[in-house]
Amino acid sequence: DGGITQSPKYLFRKEGQNVTLSCEQNLNHDAMYWYRQDPGQGLRLIYYSQIVNDFQKGDIAEGYSVSREKKESFPLTVTSAQKNPTAFYLCASTRYNEQFFGPGTRLTVL
Amino acid sequence: RKEVEQDPGPFNVPEGATVAFNCTYSNSASQSFFWYRQDCRKEPKLLMSVYSSGNEDGRFTAQLNRASQYISLLIRDSKLSDSATYLCVVNFGNTGTASKLTFGTGTRLQVTL
Repeated sequence: DGGITQSPKYLFRKEGQNVTLSCEQNLNHDAMYWYRQDPGQGLRLIYYSQIVNDFQKGDIAEGYSVSREKKESFPLTVTSAQKNPTAFYLCASTRYNEQFFGPGTRLTVL
Repeated sequence: RKEVEQDPGPFNVPEGATVAFNCTYSNSASQSFFWYRQDCRKEPKLLMSVYSSGNEDGRFTAQLNRASQYISLLIRDSKLSDSATYLCVVNFGNTGTASKLTFGTGTRLQVTL
């Protein structure tokens, strides 16, 4: 089955720690994205990547970093510099303008 | 002004009712439009694209009014399973292979018996 997988589904971390969220797709899509969703707010774009070894900042990139070493993988690191990291993180990839989403990772900072 | 605005609801309707949602967008150069459905604590899923001529998929009808910069979603004969949050999504332009979408905050629909 083709799709996007994200792991873990739930993640708890202590304040001051970096954490990496996984995103893998086997849809052969070039473009991939990371969003965060907070209650009462729309999805906000963190980073996106058009091709391997290329990525661009989205609207709220501060405190986050990404890499794109393989077409299938686009991990997101939430660093200790991110002021309010508790959120629902969604990874997506694109085909013909349609974005397909992974199931998301719910990050809670304790 | 938000780039994409929606009434957050909730819209509470009885089963079988017809319900309509509107969404306004600020950028007149917007290129493509979508409605996504998001169930509680799940990822958004594409419900339908919105074309200039309007389009219908079963009980769902989407319309685009470029002059007034709004899109609408009409749901006929509501089912309990239609209960979800409906996200209005606008593509303001592509960057290479990437489509940069802007999401509304969503309109929550609750269909009751």
